Amino acid sequence: NAGVTQTPKFRVLKTGQSMTLLCAQDMNHEYMYWYRQDPGMGLRLIHYSVGEGTTAKGEVPDGYNVSRLKKQNFLLGLESAAPSQTSVYFCASTDPNQPQHFGDGTRLSIL
Amino acid sequence: EDQVTQSPEALRLQEGESSSLNCSYTVSGLRGLFWYRQDPGKGPEFLFTLYSAGEEKEKERLKATLTKKESFLHITAPKPEDSATYLCAVQAGYGGATNKLIFGTGTLLAVQP
Repeated sequence: NAGVTQTPKFRVLKTGQSMTLLCAQDMNHEYMYWYRQDPGMGLRLIHYSVGEGTTAKGEVPDGYNVSRLKKQNFLLGLESAAPSQTSVYFCASTDPNQPQHFGDGTRLSIL
Repeated sequence: EDQVTQSPEALRLQEGESSSLNCSYTVSGLRGLFWYRQDPGKGPEFLFTLYSAGEEKEKERLKATLTKKESFLHITAPKPEDSATYLCAVQAGYGGATNKLIFGTGTLLAVQP
């Protein structure tokens, strides 16, 4: 079992460029989440989904969009990257009343 | 406002020197408190879930306990391989069945041989 797989693992962007981060889970989980982790800030929820075709805003959603067209995939998009979006991005998945399982992150630098 | 505070920010122990990490929380109706371990360059790895005051859970050298205001992660006779960042998170009772978590900023533990 691969669990939660995030691609790419590293990426460098220029300000204003766009990109999509992919999260795939093979555990048939209902819920999926995108977080960002910054020094001294802890993990902060960007967007989440409680089922295929559904999405909702988390704590820090501005500048990001998400889609969950298939149950196993959750995509995070940056439409126009800004230096403030330099961070490590983590995806997680779970079922109701179960602990979240995390991927190993995407390290994103925006110059 | 729901909040999770972890202390200390960093802790250095000698191998075999037992200690505790603290996670204090304020939340509207606690549904669960979670402990995770995070190694450098990796995602958080689930350790424990605690649901009610008085509950305890153990795994090898780790024991997690819960009161109405805080949780402790006790590390007994730690080894260098226990070095990691330990994260605490809470799930609040509001917001329906979303399993959303609020994380603390973590405790960086270094165990020296």
